[in-house]
Amino acid sequence: DTAVSQTPKYLVTQMGNDKSIKCEQNLGHDTMYWYKQDSKKFLKIMFSYNNKELIINETVPNRFSPKSPDKAHLNLHINSLELGDSAVYFCASSQDLPYRDDGGNEQFFGPGTRLTVL
Amino acid sequence: AQSVTQLDSHVSVSEGTPVLLRCNYSSSYSPSLFWYVQHPNKGLQLLLKYTSAATLVKGINGFEAEFKKSETSFHLTKPSAHMSDAAEYFCVVSAPRGGGSYIPTFGRGTSLIVHP
Repeated sequence: DTAVSQTPKYLVTQMGNDKSIKCEQNLGHDTMYWYKQDSKKFLKIMFSYNNKELIINETVPNRFSPKSPDKAHLNLHINSLELGDSAVYFCASSQDLPYRDDGGNEQFFGPGTRLTVL
Repeated sequence: AQSVTQLDSHVSVSEGTPVLLRCNYSSSYSPSLFWYVQHPNKGLQLLLKYTSAATLVKGINGFEAEFKKSETSFHLTKPSAHMSDAAEYFCVVSAPRGGGSYIPTFGRGTSLIVHP
């Protein structure tokens, strides 16, 4: 059984288009994340949701909009795609409650969505 | 504020020789520290985690890491490299953000190359 799944696995599209990536986790976790990994493998956190509430919103263009219909799903919608948006996007989840005084629990990652903007 | 520095972008070893991947961190809190591995075209998988219990942490596939607070380091080691260890490795520091959430910060990654 897949713990964190993403669709699609590959996405090739033209500049200016709007696209969505879907993420689902069946682990019962309360927190979900979106990361962007560039061509040099650098991972940058974009968003984090805890129980459907946005808790981390890093410096990301407002063309990117996350949507969490329930705590098992976190989708990423991207408007007006640009060449620089080409990357691999990873979804992840973790169980953050009950609250801990240390750095929290491990994250479980999806397989990634490779987005290519032409 | 917190940060992670992986001191080597690439490490090259021969199969059967020891592996050392270096990580230094800074944090205003008592953080948790993680090492994740990413095999080619795959997602990330947890290798091991430190959360203020034992300073020597054992993980999967024979990897271990030692937390040294005085040196603010969390280096990853393995006694004998295997070809299947070739992958990208990420050191992560995570600390309470407030409001019941955490913020993880990733290092830039170290690519481990294993020669036959």
